[in-house]
Amino acid sequence: AQKITQTQPGMFVQEKEAVTLDCTYDTSDPSYGLFWYKQPSSGEMIFLIYQGSYDQQNATEGRYSLNFQKARKSANLVISASQLGDSAMYFCAMREGLKGNEKLTFGTGTRLTIIP
Amino acid sequence: DSGVTQTPKHLITATGQRVTLRCSPRSGDLSVYWYQQSLDQGLQFLIQYYNGEERAKGNILERFSAQQFPDLHSELNLSSLELGDSALYFCASSVQGAAYEQYFGPGTRLTVT
Repeated sequence: AQKITQTQPGMFVQEKEAVTLDCTYDTSDPSYGLFWYKQPSSGEMIFLIYQGSYDQQNATEGRYSLNFQKARKSANLVISASQLGDSAMYFCAMREGLKGNEKLTFGTGTRLTIIP
Repeated sequence: DSGVTQTPKHLITATGQRVTLRCSPRSGDLSVYWYQQSLDQGLQFLIQYYNGEERAKGNILERFSAQQFPDLHSELNLSSLELGDSALYFCASSVQGAAYEQYFGPGTRLTVT
């Protein structure tokens, strides 16, 4: 079974609109962390936002927020007021456990294109 | 700029050869992670080192090996290269502790011809 599922291979969004990128995860570990990374065409991986499984509030970082629904095992990324520079691949990732297992498991990504 | 550096940026080599990829983590980060990104496998975790010791292993081939040196920089050695090893290899670093985000370097693009 896939640990991280991103069901949207590609999305087109009008500039200045909000966009939600879907991510569902699968783990039986009560302690885990969820991450979103952005990969522009230049190739680097840029950390965007982090949500811990015990965090009571949804994480926010500027225009990025994470819609964390624990019971549904979803961790969707919301980008408000999209900009042309937001066009990129977006990856959801999970780290399971507290100690000794710090690797990230990535989803297949969503390619977001912002239309002017 | 994440603060993680990787060299070289691009590498083109022939099948059967051996290459070494180098990574310097962010200042203060003790953990180094190596990931491989290829078209067919996506982003996969290879191996993690913490303060010089191997901490976790993922889908790393036996032809691949890594180490972390006392100054905390790390090297990933790829030998007997095959066409399928062509990929983008990322190094990431983090402060010790699973709650911390991993910051990625710019990657080394390896092309095996």
